[in-house]
Amino acid sequence: DAKTTQPNSMESNEEEPVHLPCNHSTISGTDYIHWYRQLPSQGPEYVIHGLTSNVNNRMASLAIAEDRKSSTLILHRATLRDAAVYYCILKGNKFYFGSGTKLNVKP
Amino acid sequence: GAGVSQSPSNKVTEKGKDVELRCDPISGHTALYWYRQRLGQGLEFLIYFQGNSAPDKSGLPSDRFSAERTGESVSTLTIQRTQQEDSAVYLCASSLIEGWGYGYTFGSGTRLTVV
Repeated sequence: DAKTTQPNSMESNEEEPVHLPCNHSTISGTDYIHWYRQLPSQGPEYVIHGLTSNVNNRMASLAIAEDRKSSTLILHRATLRDAAVYYCILKGNKFYFGSGTKLNVKP
Repeated sequence: GAGVSQSPSNKVTEKGKDVELRCDPISGHTALYWYRQRLGQGLEFLIYFQGNSAPDKSGLPSDRFSAERTGESVSTLTIQRTQQEDSAVYLCASSLIEGWGYGYTFGSGTRLTVV
C-alpha cells in the first residue's frame, strides 16, 4: 500500500492560513487522497478528500499536484480549535494512517 | 444512531484477563475498521469488515486478538490473555459503503489499560 510522508509538526498563528504538505510519490492511479484530523482525546475526524482536482469544503481546501505525488491541505484562517494532528492518507485497498503532522496554533 | 458508538469508553484490566470491546457503527454503514493507537503514536490498522465478505484480518498483531461482526451491525474486538503492551486506545470507524471516495466516521475509542 502506498505510503505518505508528512512533517512531524508545524506551527501557525491564529487567523493566518496554514498549508500542510503531504508527499505520496508511490500513489497509484486509483488512490484517493484523504485528510483526517485528530483533536486531543478524540477519534479522527474527516476533513476532505480528492482524486485529481482541487477540492474545497467548509473546513478546508485540498490542492493536489498535477502528478498527484503530493498534496497540500489548506486551512484558510487557523483558529485555536484547529490545533490537532492532521493525517494524510491514501485510500486504496486499505485505509492506512501514518504518523501525521501535529499543528500548533498560537494566539 | 447519530454517530459511531464505542463501549466501554475506558477499561482497566489485569494482565492475563480477556477483554471485549464493542463498536456500534452508524446504521446502514457496511464497512467497518478497527484501529489501535498507542500513546503518542499514529493509528495502526487491525481488521476490516465489508458487508458479508470475509474480513481482512491482516493487521491483527497476534492470535490473542479476534473480532466479529454480525451482518452490518455491531462489531466486537476481543483480546485474550491481555498483556501490558495491549494498552492503547482502540478506535472503530464505519462508512456507508466501501469505496475509495468515501470518508469514514470514527468513534471516540475505548482506552484500554492493562495493569
